[in-house]
Amino acid sequence: EAVLTQSPGTLSLSPGERATLSCTASESVSATFLAWYQQKPGQTPRLLIYHASSRATGIPDRFSGSGSGTDFTLTISRLEPEDFAVYYCQQYGGSLITFGQGTRLEIK
Amino acid sequence: QVQLQESGPGLVRPSETLSLTCSVSGYSITRGYYWAWIRQPPGKGLEWIGSIYHRGSSFYNSSLSSRVTMSVDTSRNQFSLKLNSVTAADTAVYYCARNPHNTVGGVDIIYWFDPWGQGTLVTVSS
Repeated sequence: EAVLTQSPGTLSLSPGERATLSCTASESVSATFLAWYQQKPGQTPRLLIYHASSRATGIPDRFSGSGSGTDFTLTISRLEPEDFAVYYCQQYGGSLITFGQGTRLEIK
Repeated sequence: QVQLQESGPGLVRPSETLSLTCSVSGYSITRGYYWAWIRQPPGKGLEWIGSIYHRGSSFYNSSLSSRVTMSVDTSRNQFSLKLNSVTAADTAVYYCARNPHNTVGGVDIIYWFDPWGQGTLVTVSS
């Protein structure tokens, strides 16, 4: 099963800036079988992106996903105050599912 | 809209069995999705435990599979998790979630998780 490594561990940015979060798989992920989630403190994870680049229902278009194979990226084009949270990637290439360890996006 | 709610004891003794139930409302669990359990130790990341289909097909995390049993109760629109021989390392918030899938060449491929229940904290301690 693929091990997912997210970088950076913590990203410090200001509202209005662009955020780029990376997720690297130890082996190629089947097709583009990768999802991204946002989790705010004390809250449930929320699906943002599935199939690497498809936005989930109700997700603003400032969130976008890209990548394939072993390298995936979540981009937030212009940070809003409510976007500061922890972000997880998840691969689902088969019968086993794994998550990355998370990237904390904090206000600079 | 579909909603999921976890229930079960918040405290389990070491070596005993953790038992949780997820009640699904607004959607029939027989309608073509897998249903999953995911956990998150305090201050740590997410770990998938397993997923089950209403007809009984299931997938488990290989690191937990020897201790995990999942089941579905279609009459109550619920699914359940049992984790035996628990230790302090099993202390976590346990989430249930809906788990889409696709079938390719007769093989199910499980996908992402959406939506999630609110989660329930289970502490393993004597």
